[in-house]
Amino acid sequence: EIVLTQSPGTLSLSPGEGATLSCRASQTVSSNYLAWYQQKPGQAPRLLIYGASTRATDIPDRFSGGGSGTDFTLSIIRLEPEDFAVYYCQQYGRSPYAFGQGTKLEIK
Amino acid sequence: QVQLQQWGAGLLTPSETLSLTCAVSGGSFRGYYWSWIRQSPGKGLEWIGEIDHSGGTYYNPSLKSRVSISLEMSRTQFLLKVTSVTAADTAVYYCARRERDAAAGWYFALWGRGTLVSVSS
Repeated sequence: EIVLTQSPGTLSLSPGEGATLSCRASQTVSSNYLAWYQQKPGQAPRLLIYGASTRATDIPDRFSGGGSGTDFTLSIIRLEPEDFAVYYCQQYGRSPYAFGQGTKLEIK
Repeated sequence: QVQLQQWGAGLLTPSETLSLTCAVSGGSFRGYYWSWIRQSPGKGLEWIGEIDHSGGTYYNPSLKSRVSISLEMSRTQFLLKVTSVTAADTAVYYCARRERDAAAGWYFALWGRGTLVSVSS
């Protein structure tokens, strides 16, 4: 079973700044089948990125995904107030499809 | 626009069976995988299992002995049952649809809003 470790646990930034979130897998993620989600309180996770770097429908180009193998990143440039939330990575290349523990992006 | 609407009992006592339904509106079952995922403060997000349009099922080994997922094709609904629940099964349960991208594989494209299930004596 693949274990995903996200860092940092909490990231404190100001609107307008850029953010880089990390997701490390315990084994190679098959075909880079790695997704990123944003979750706000009381809401379901919202798909941002799949296939490590493909933006989902209606996701602004301020969000970008990168990486391969075992190391992946989510970058957000020019943070907007609505971007402050919890972010999760997930591998869907090999069952069971695991999630990371999350990175909380909070306003500094 | 395809939507997933889910419902089920929100309060259970230990040893009961959890039962949730997810209805697919505005779309077909065919060509997708239909999943259940749960989220608890203790374990975070956890994939429970899924079913394909022909009824093939795939479960997380950690829950396999207590979980069953089934289809009701005529009503475009799929169901989750978890037997012998304990407090550790307290979570928000989500249904989701996996769809295929030629380059990016079978990703979790669409999620329901979630149903809170609490297990307490």
